[in-house]
Formats: sequence, structure tokens, C-alpha cells
Amino acid sequence: AQSVTQLDSQVPVFEEAPVELRCNYSSSVSVYLFWYVQYPNQGLQLLLKYLSGSTLVESINGFEAEFNKSQTSFHLRKPSVHISDTAEYFCAVKARGGYNKLIFGAGTRLAVHP
Amino acid sequence: GAGVSQSPSNKVTEKGKDVELRCDPISGHTALYWYRQSLGQGLEFLIYFQGNSAPDKSGLPSDRFSAERTGGSVSTLTIQRTQQEDSAVYLCASSSSSDGGNYEQYFGPGTRLTVT
Repeated sequence: AQSVTQLDSQVPVFEEAPVELRCNYSSSVSVYLFWYVQYPNQGLQLLLKYLSGSTLVESINGFEAEFNKSQTSFHLRKPSVHISDTAEYFCAVKARGGYNKLIFGAGTRLAVHP
Repeated sequence: GAGVSQSPSNKVTEKGKDVELRCDPISGHTALYWYRQSLGQGLEFLIYFQGNSAPDKSGLPSDRFSAERTGGSVSTLTIQRTQQEDSAVYLCASSSSSDGGNYEQYFGPGTRLTVT
């Protein structure tokens, strides 16, 4: 079985400041890792994913996440946030080779203030 | 193209009534998933369909919950004898089994269920 822990339920930050949203997972098998974003009053959208290869993955809007196998982490970072990044961010895992269900963390609400 | 659609967008029902929630996946997507998003529980997996069969029903919380999928397309999630703890946003997602291993699930806007 897999589980995901997002250590911060809320992260307030000022515009143009850096941010890190933390995600740790537990699994007895290898996993794929995902970050989804939910903007206010919108559905879940895939932000980025780690399947294999380079442990650093990037999104088109400046977010990046690094898979750290030894620490079982997949933290999400952005060097300079915008007001439009205000949203809820969910970390998720899927077992390799298993059914495609995603196991989600509880979510982190990122609030960017001017 | 059209994304995943769900209906109704909002449903208010009285405790004890049955409800049906509908999901229309992206055309051609063979895999379909139901999740539940509730306060205090986060996002929980409910059930996974591959075609019309459900190889993983492990997330259904009780036997009051059931789901079916017909024609490899539309799915219906049914909750019988609703309880207040069933209040949540029910999300549907679909994915293509021939997506080259991308494993991306596309989510619908959800159905907000309120049990009074």
C-alpha cells in the first residue's frame, strides 16, 4: 500500500518570494509521482510528474520538483511565485505496475499575497 | 476537444435518499476513476474501471456505494440511503490505456453532494 504526507496544510507567501511545498511518500513498491493543482473553482490539473530518468522535473509555469528516493520525497518548488499561483496543490503516487489509481496527499493551500 | 464532464454539478438530497452521479469520460479513454474530496479526508480513491469491468473497487467506503460503466463510456456512481458523512465533492477522471505510459488522469469538475 502507498501513502502520501503533505506536511503543510497552508503556506502563505508574498509575491515574488520562493516557495517549497513538501511531499513525502511511503510505499513497499516503486512508484510514479505527481503534483496536481486545483485553482479556485476549477478542476484538478496535472502540474508535473516523475516517471523515470532525471530526478528533477519541471512544469511549463516555472514549478519544479525533485524525486529523492533515499528520503522518499518529491518536494515542489518555485523560485518566484505570482498571485496567479494561488491554488491548492496535491501530491500523488501511483504504484508501478499496479492499477492506475492515484493515492493523494491531503493537499497544501498556497496563498500568494501582494 | 471535450474534457471529462460530470452531472449534476450540485446535488442536495435528504438523508436516506438514493442519488446517482454521472460521468462522461473523454472519448476513447478506456480507464475511468471515481474519487471523493471531502473536508478532513482529502482526495480518496473510490473505484477504477478498465472498459466496463471494475478490477479495483477497494476504495468504496460501504456497500451503499456502487458504480457501473456501460459501453466503455458513461459511468454512474450510486449512493443508496445517503448519510451526512457522504457529503463531499465526487470527482471523475479518465485516462487512455494507450498513452505511452504517461499515466495522466484528466479530471472532471466534480459533483458537489450535500446531504441534509
